[in-house]
Parts: sequence; structure tokens; C-alpha cells
Amino acid sequence: DAGVIQSPRHEVTEMGQEVTLRCKPISGHDYLFWYRQTMMRGLELLIYFNNNVPIDDSGMPEDRFSAKMPNASFSTLKIQPSEPRDSAVYFCASSLRRVSSGNTIYFGEGSWLTVV
Amino acid sequence: AQSVTQPDIHITVSEGASLELRCNYSYGATPYLFWYVQSPGQGLQLLLKYFSGDTLVQGIKGFEAEFKRSQSSFNLRKPSVHWSDAAEYFCAVGARNQGGKLIFGQGTELSVKP
Repeated sequence: DAGVIQSPRHEVTEMGQEVTLRCKPISGHDYLFWYRQTMMRGLELLIYFNNNVPIDDSGMPEDRFSAKMPNASFSTLKIQPSEPRDSAVYFCASSLRRVSSGNTIYFGEGSWLTVV
Repeated sequence: AQSVTQPDIHITVSEGASLELRCNYSYGATPYLFWYVQSPGQGLQLLLKYFSGDTLVQGIKGFEAEFKRSQSSFNLRKPSVHWSDAAEYFCAVGARNQGGKLIFGQGTELSVKP
């Protein structure tokens, strides 16, 4: 089975530009998560969706960040305008049901973003 | 709120030696606990998880972890390390009343000496 698919794998952009990261969760999974990984802050949960509905976006750093899930097989994380401090690895992940019911979160390989 | 501490930022072991990576959590009730491994440039792969039942859980690649409620710990162990185990290891905790949220520790980087 295909895992969580993220694109682009690597992106270098200039400060002020819009960045869109894309994610295709594992087919049939109800939950989708966006995490950010940096050296300073480690892995942080930005937002997660259940059945395409955002459940918790308390980790979204500021209004420059937005995430959408228009259907069960696609999600985007957008940064507009981007800043150098947004440079990080952004992971998308999905799980079949609630983690609290014993399900596993599966991670994509990440999108490596560099803002110069 | 729950939190996870991995006290060791970096550990070096010799190939064939045993390994223990420490993880301590803070949570008022019984949490869900996970260990993930991340190889350079890769995503996170689940090694093992604890939800309930037997406190000693077996995972992939010969890893095991033991949940000790009295110590709020979930340490990862392997009896004999292979060079391919060099990677970063993350402990994570999930709360039973927070659907999908996992809180990750800062990670422990494992180096393996030949």
C-alpha cells in the first residue's frame, strides 16, 4: 500500500513568497496531521483534521499559516508570506481512526522547506 | 498538559552492545506511548506502541520497551545494536481524551561505533 505522500520533497523559496505543501494521506484514514520539525523546537503538531474537518489548530504559529482539507485524499499547508524562520521539515501524517483507540499515526517523508 | 522528556540528546554505543534510551512522560492518567525512529532525510517509522495490557511491548527490528507507571517511564531497549540502528529516536505520548494528538520528545540521536 502507498504510504502518506508529500510534495514537494524539497523547496527553496525567497522570503515573502507563498509556499504550498501538499499531502495525500493513506486511503481510508480518517485523521490527518501536519507536524513541523526544527532543531530548536523538535516536532510540533500544527493542526489535525478528522473527516476533513479541522479539530485542533492551536499549534499553527500565526495567521501566515493556513491548512485545508478539501476532500479525504488531499490536504494543503500554506504559508503566505514565508519568512526565514519558517525553514523546517514539514511532515504530514495520517491514522485510520483515533489514536486513543489504539491506532498508529503513519508519517510521510516530509517536505524540506528553506526560506532565504 | 502532557509532556515527554528524553534526557539524552546523543548516545554512542558500540556495535553488538546493548542499548537503552530513556523516556519520561508527564500525564495525569495512563497515556498512550510510542517510539518512532527517524533515519536521516526520512520520515518517522513506528517502532512500537503501548496502549494497555502487558507493560513490556515488543516492536520491530528487535526493539522492546517497558511501561513503568511508578516511574512515568517508557524506556526503549535493544539487546544487541547493529550499525543500521544509527538514527534519531523519538518517544511520544498521546492523551486518551485528545483524539489524535501526539506530543513528541526532543529525540535521542544514536551513533553506533564499529
